[in-house]
Amino acid sequence: DGGITQSPKYLFRKEGQNVTLSCEQNLNHDAMYWYRQDPGQGLRLIYYSQIVNDFQKGDIAEGYSVSREKKESFPLTVTSAQKNPTAFYLCASRGRGSRTDTQYFGPGTRLTVL
Amino acid sequence: AQSVTQPDIHITVSEGASLELRCNYSYGATPYLFWYVQSPGQGLQLLLKYFSGDTLVQGIKGFEAEFKRSQSSFNLRKPSVHWSDAAEYFCATRRGNNNDMRFGAGTRLTVKP
Repeated sequence: DGGITQSPKYLFRKEGQNVTLSCEQNLNHDAMYWYRQDPGQGLRLIYYSQIVNDFQKGDIAEGYSVSREKKESFPLTVTSAQKNPTAFYLCASRGRGSRTDTQYFGPGTRLTVL
Repeated sequence: AQSVTQPDIHITVSEGASLELRCNYSYGATPYLFWYVQSPGQGLQLLLKYFSGDTLVQGIKGFEAEFKRSQSSFNLRKPSVHWSDAAEYFCATRRGNNNDMRFGAGTRLTVKP
């Protein structure tokens, strides 16, 4: 089955800790994205990567970091610098080369800071 | 920069009734337009998309949407709603082949028996 997996589904963090959210895709997509979702605010782009070893900041990158060492994987680290990290995090991917390519989403990770 | 407005935060309809969810976009040229659905605690599933051509687009689960350039709208419709359609619906727009995808705030749909 082709798709996007995110783990864990639920994550709890103490204040001051860094945590890493996993995102893996087997769709052979070049581009990958991380979004944050808060109630009533839709989705906001954190980081995106169009190709291995390259990534760009989105609208709300402060307090987050990413890496893209493999095409299939795009982990997101929520650092202690992120002031309000409790949210639902969604990973997405998109094929490159066609203007009609669509973003497909993973099932999400809910992060709660205790 | 383009933006998307979903004027209705929450809509309640009776099962079997028709549904229309509103979406307005702000962008100079014709953007690429999408509707996604999200069940509680889940990711987003693509319902349909519009890039060009026929302005009436058919999607999955019996949904359709109509692009109206004169009104800058891309409203989602379904002739008869099922209880399983209860979810949150997001309209989104993307400018060309770039990575700048903008989402509306979402409309939560409740279906009454």
